[in-house]
Amino acid sequence: DAKTTQPNSMESNEEEPVHLPCNHSTISGTDYIHWYRQLPSQGPEYVIHGLTSNVNNRMASLAIAEDRKSSTLILHRATLRDAAVYYCILRDSFGGAGSYQLTFGKGTKLSVIP
Amino acid sequence: EAQVTQNPRYLITVTGKKLTVTCSQNMNHEYMSWYRQDPGLGLRQIYYSMNVEVTDKGDVPEGYKVSRKEKRNFPLILESPSPNQTSLYFCASSLFGQRDRGNEQYFGPGTRLTVT
Repeated sequence: DAKTTQPNSMESNEEEPVHLPCNHSTISGTDYIHWYRQLPSQGPEYVIHGLTSNVNNRMASLAIAEDRKSSTLILHRATLRDAAVYYCILRDSFGGAGSYQLTFGKGTKLSVIP
Repeated sequence: EAQVTQNPRYLITVTGKKLTVTCSQNMNHEYMSWYRQDPGLGLRQIYYSMNVEVTDKGDVPEGYKVSRKEKRNFPLILESPSPNQTSLYFCASSLFGQRDRGNEQYFGPGTRLTVT
C-alpha cells in the first residue's frame, strides 16, 4: 500500500484556520485520499475524502495537489473540539474487500490553543 | 441516529476466561470490522466481514474469533484471553460494494479490555 507522511504534531489558535499537510508521493492513480480524526477517548471519525479535485464539506476542505503527491486538510476556523489526531489514509478504489481496511499511521496531533 | 454500539465499554478479566465483545450497527451496512489500538502501533485490523456469513482475517487475527449471523451484529470472541490482548478495541461498519472507495466508515466508541 502507498504510504503517507504527516507531521507528528501541530498547534493552532482557536478560531484560526488550520492547514494539515500530508505527503503521499507513491500514490497510485486509483487511490482515494481519506482523512479521519480521533478525538480523545473516542473512536475514529470520518472527515473527508477525495480523488483529484478539491472537496468541501461541513467539517473541512481537502486540497489535492495537481500531481496528487500531497494534500492538505483545511479546518477553516479551529475550535477546541477540533483538538484530535488527524489521519491521512490512502484507499485503492479498485481493490477487493481487503482494501476497505483503513491503514492508520501515527497521524498529526492537533492542539488548539484558546 | 446512525450509530455503531459496542458492549461492554470497559472490561477487566483474567487469563483464559472466555469473553465476547458485542458490536451492532443500525445503518444496514454490509461491511463490518474490528480493530485494536495500542500505543505506538496505531490501529490494526483484526477481522472483517463483507456480509452475513462472510468473514476474513485482517492483520492481527491470532487469538480472536468472529461471527456474522445477522447483518447488524458482529461480535468479537476471545476464547482464551491473554495479557497481550489487553488493548482498546473498535468496531467499524460501512456500505460495501460500490466502486467508489469513498464509503465512510463509522466507528464505535471503543471497548477497553484488560486481561490480568
